[in-house]
Amino acid sequence: TQLLEQSPQFLSIQEGENLTVYCNSSSVFSSLQWYRQEPGEGPVLLVTVVTGGEVKKLKRLTFQFGDARKDSSLHITAAQTGDTGLYLCAGVPQGSSNTGKLIFGQGTTLQVKP
Amino acid sequence: SQTIHQWPATLVQPVGSPLSLECTVEGTSNPNLYWYRQAAGRGLQLLFYSVGIGQISSEVPQNLSASRPQDRQFILSSKKLLLSDSGFYLCAWNIGRFYGYTFGSGTRLTVV
Repeated sequence: TQLLEQSPQFLSIQEGENLTVYCNSSSVFSSLQWYRQEPGEGPVLLVTVVTGGEVKKLKRLTFQFGDARKDSSLHITAAQTGDTGLYLCAGVPQGSSNTGKLIFGQGTTLQVKP
Repeated sequence: SQTIHQWPATLVQPVGSPLSLECTVEGTSNPNLYWYRQAAGRGLQLLFYSVGIGQISSEVPQNLSASRPQDRQFILSSKKLLLSDSGFYLCAWNIGRFYGYTFGSGTRLTVV
């Protein structure tokens, strides 16, 4: 069974602080994606990483795909209250068909306090 | 541009009643379609996916079924709802395994 373990599950920080969320697995993934979800809405795609060691930046967010393509991290610099939400990592297991079926982590709930 | 519509947004149904949730996609052809269920504040569990009309794959045995009567229409159904069917149901689409999902806005189902 391919699993994605996210840590931490909950994170409460002050505005301006930095944070990192981790997504780990014992399985290899063809690609990993990160989503952000607000209460009562569907998740919104933030980034897709495909190549081992790849780093992508989206304003204050930095995403990294592990060299072995088994893990990923999301780093937020100088968090803002608007970053509050549920962050989900999701991956396509290596060797899966072209169904695009994603395995999701359990999510990290981030609360940024003013 | 591509859009995805999911309705209704909220639904309260008695135990034993039927269910039909509908999802339609616009602006693309032959999308992969998915139904997920999400427990409060947690990750998503894949229920069904479809790579074409009439092609449905079920991920977990349960009280639900899915159908894809048209290329861009995906329906989640149940003949008799259980209390455990309560949850947040999300429809999504993509065009292949290296492409991210676009999610609908979800349906909050409460079975009473």
